[in-house]
Amino acid sequence: DGGITQSPKYLFRKEGQNVTLSCEQNLNHDAMYWYRQDPGQGLRLIYYSQIVNDFQKGDIAEGYSVSREKKESFPLTVTSAQKNPTAFYLCASSPHNDEQYFGPGTRLTVT
Amino acid sequence: LAKTTQPISMDSYEGQEVNITCSHNNIATNDYITWYQQFPSQGPRFIIQGYKTKVTNEVASLFIPADRKSSTLSLPRVSLSDTAVYYCLVGETYGQNFVFGPGTRLSVLP
Repeated sequence: DGGITQSPKYLFRKEGQNVTLSCEQNLNHDAMYWYRQDPGQGLRLIYYSQIVNDFQKGDIAEGYSVSREKKESFPLTVTSAQKNPTAFYLCASSPHNDEQYFGPGTRLTVT
Repeated sequence: LAKTTQPISMDSYEGQEVNITCSHNNIATNDYITWYQQFPSQGPRFIIQGYKTKVTNEVASLFIPADRKSSTLSLPRVSLSDTAVYYCLVGETYGQNFVFGPGTRLSVLP
């Protein structure tokens, strides 16, 4: 059953802690993306990766880090440097020049 | 980067046809136009994609004029389950050169 998964669905952390969000896909897609969505707002690109061991900053990369050691996986770390980390995080993947397939999202709450 | 402009919200009634227009004056030659649908607390879902003229699939039609500076998503005979946010995306999906529009919140009323 092909698809893109994100875990966990809900995540709670204390301020000052780093947290890593998981994103896995078995669609054999080369490109993967991380977005952030705030309540009532659109999606904003954090990082994207076109191939393994390569990734590029998006519009709001400050306070975030990623890795792409495997084609199937693109974890996102929200560091303590991110000033407002509470948000809905969406991961997506796509084949070349085609639609993006989104995961179910992870809702992160930092208090 | 090609920016997009969409109406913030629209209301419709069940059974009506809904047309949502997206403006993208700075669209580049290599850019595609893609529309997504998003329900609350879910990831967006692809609806339709086009480059020029008209594209139709089982759920929607996409109309793109010759100058490609705008596009219109047409949803035939909407139902209550079509209540969602619709995003217009312009750019090459494979890379950074794309922008999600602000989205149009469609409310379908009985």
